[in-house]
Amino acid sequence: EPEVTQTPSHQVTQMGQEVILRCVPISNHLYFYWYRQILGQKVEFLVSFYNNEISEKSEIFDDQFSVERPDGSNFTLKIRSTKLEDSAMYFCASSEALYNEQFFGPGTRLTVL
Amino acid sequence: AQSVAQPEDQVNVAEGNPLTVKCTYSVSGNPYLFWYVQYPNRGLQFLLKYITGDNLVKGSYGFEAEFNKSQTSFHLKKPSALVSDSALYFCAVRADNYGQNFVFGPGTRLSVLP
Repeated sequence: EPEVTQTPSHQVTQMGQEVILRCVPISNHLYFYWYRQILGQKVEFLVSFYNNEISEKSEIFDDQFSVERPDGSNFTLKIRSTKLEDSAMYFCASSEALYNEQFFGPGTRLTVL
Repeated sequence: AQSVAQPEDQVNVAEGNPLTVKCTYSVSGNPYLFWYVQYPNRGLQFLLKYITGDNLVKGSYGFEAEFNKSQTSFHLKKPSALVSDSALYFCAVRADNYGQNFVFGPGTRLSVLP
């Protein structure tokens, strides 16, 4: 069964450093998303991406964040200058169509020291 | 704006008993409703969805949910709980006239006791 994959599973970084989180969505999906979940808290939407551009973003997704689909398979989230409060689990998701269910990857745990 | 409430942080049920995890929502248009389950250190797994049609939706692992428009609810149910159902359950909503993101509820931790 096709699934969304994410790498790395755990990333530790120093405050102020740049990180890139990687995702491979399901191959025939057209819509891609990033969410985050701070430990023990709710899942929060960050950004959605369709047709090689951002279609929607939340207030969390400020200028420190960017997304890219550099090739036909990868979908990346970059945080330019990490802050302590960026520590969270980051989930990538994809869906086949706009109102279909989203399939989530296993997540990347980001720890900012 | 869209919002989702899951009024119970924790639900405890004995194995073999029926379970209900509650969800209420608020949207400005027609709702698309989803349930996801999260096991420890794992991503979210899709359980079921309501888009249109029959108010009773059946999903994975014997779960079902009933859409109630008048009460703006979408409660998750299972006739007979298993210990392996113990996990964190999230309700999510999006409106047909709003953005593309899901709004998730805060989650309900289900513990099924043997």
